Amino acid sequence: GDSVTQTEGPVTLSEGTSLTVNCSYETKQYPTLFWYVQYPGEGPQLLFKVPKANEKGSNRGFEATYNKEATSFHLQKASVQESDSAVYYCALGGRGGNYKPTFGKGTSLVVHP
Amino acid sequence: NAGVIQTPRHKVTGKGQEATLWCEPISGHSAVFWYRQTIVQGLEFLTYFRNQAPIDDSGMPKERFSAQMPNQSHSTLKIQSTQPQDSAVYLCASSPLGGYNYAEQFFGPGTRLTVL
Repeated sequence: GDSVTQTEGPVTLSEGTSLTVNCSYETKQYPTLFWYVQYPGEGPQLLFKVPKANEKGSNRGFEATYNKEATSFHLQKASVQESDSAVYYCALGGRGGNYKPTFGKGTSLVVHP
Repeated sequence: NAGVIQTPRHKVTGKGQEATLWCEPISGHSAVFWYRQTIVQGLEFLTYFRNQAPIDDSGMPKERFSAQMPNQSHSTLKIQSTQPQDSAVYLCASSPLGGYNYAEQFFGPGTRLTVL
């Protein structure tokens, strides 16, 4: 079946430093890839999605490029802020009938001022 | 748009009691998903419905857990004879499935279940 592997947390950074959260996936389908973010006390919310290979998604200064050859979808941000402290989930969705998603285990990010 | 509504937000039960969790999806969304979230296991898929029909319950513990979607405006997750290991945050999400591409999910705030 499908699987997603992402950087284990917690990741601790200082404000202004760069972030990379690695995400690799395995699937026999042609997936749509997502990054979700979950703040304390809330449910996950979509950060962005990228439906096509070799395309880039971006939102709130975060970006990720869907690399079909490397089956990777790493999340990056050039300069993190304390407000970015949250749990980040990489996820892939099926296509054409299989709507059950596959989520990574989540990466907790703590940003210190 | 109020988003996905989950009630109650917190529930405390004694061991062996029943717990029923409610979810109201976003109007017009055709799919509803249930997840369980713990520190140790992270986000675990339980089950999902499409157009009110159960499609995949592969994540549901076969005993004690059941889910229903009697109409398009709400779904319930019922846990019978609750055990301490059932303590978790239960998340509901809805999605505007349609067409060939997978669509994103919209999550509710979750119900925190504590079994004493």
